[in-house]
Amino acid sequence: EDQVTQSPEALRLQEGESSSLNCSYTVSGLRGLFWYRQDPGKGPEFLFTLYSAGEEKEKERLKATLTKKESFLHITAPKPEDSATYLCAVQAEAGNMLTFGGGTRLMVKP
Amino acid sequence: GAVVSQHPSWVICKSGTSVKIECRSLDFQATTMFWYRQFPKQSLMLMATSNEGSKATYEQGVEKDKFLINHASLTLSTLTVTSAHPEDSSFYICSARVSLGWAFFGQGTRLTVV
Repeated sequence: EDQVTQSPEALRLQEGESSSLNCSYTVSGLRGLFWYRQDPGKGPEFLFTLYSAGEEKEKERLKATLTKKESFLHITAPKPEDSATYLCAVQAEAGNMLTFGGGTRLMVKP
Repeated sequence: GAVVSQHPSWVICKSGTSVKIECRSLDFQATTMFWYRQFPKQSLMLMATSNEGSKATYEQGVEKDKFLINHASLTLSTLTVTSAHPEDSSFYICSARVSLGWAFFGQGTRLTVV
């Protein structure tokens, strides 16, 4: 059974304080690992897809990396508007669905 | 990026009534759409996979007679919560896949059953 565990559950940062969110996964053959941002009362907003170990992708202050066991979402010099819940999900080679982690609730204080 | 539109964004209904939620892919065709349910401060739980022109595939523990899914066209899937009860109150989200690596979500529907 595919499993995704995100840590920490919640993270409080000061504006400008860089940090990383972790997504550990076990999957029977990884087709893709997805990162989403979700604001309260909204649907998830797509950020990145990573396909193979060693791959990295960047978007503004966010950088996602992937190994064979985990993915990190690095946030550099965060701003209050980066406050949201960040979700990680995996898709197995054999399946059609995404398995989500519990999410990390990020709060950036000015 | 691809747009998935979900409607309504919120709905309040009386216990025992049915509610229909629509999910549309606006600028692409989606042969497969997914319906999720999300409780407060929890992650998304897949309810069912909706396939255009065929019956939906439900996850274990999801009542298919209560949560009716119809995927009549390549751009529209609907979820009908039948005979809704307060415990059905939740945030429902649809998703559509553009291709292998891209999955986009609707804005979500907040259902409150009173």
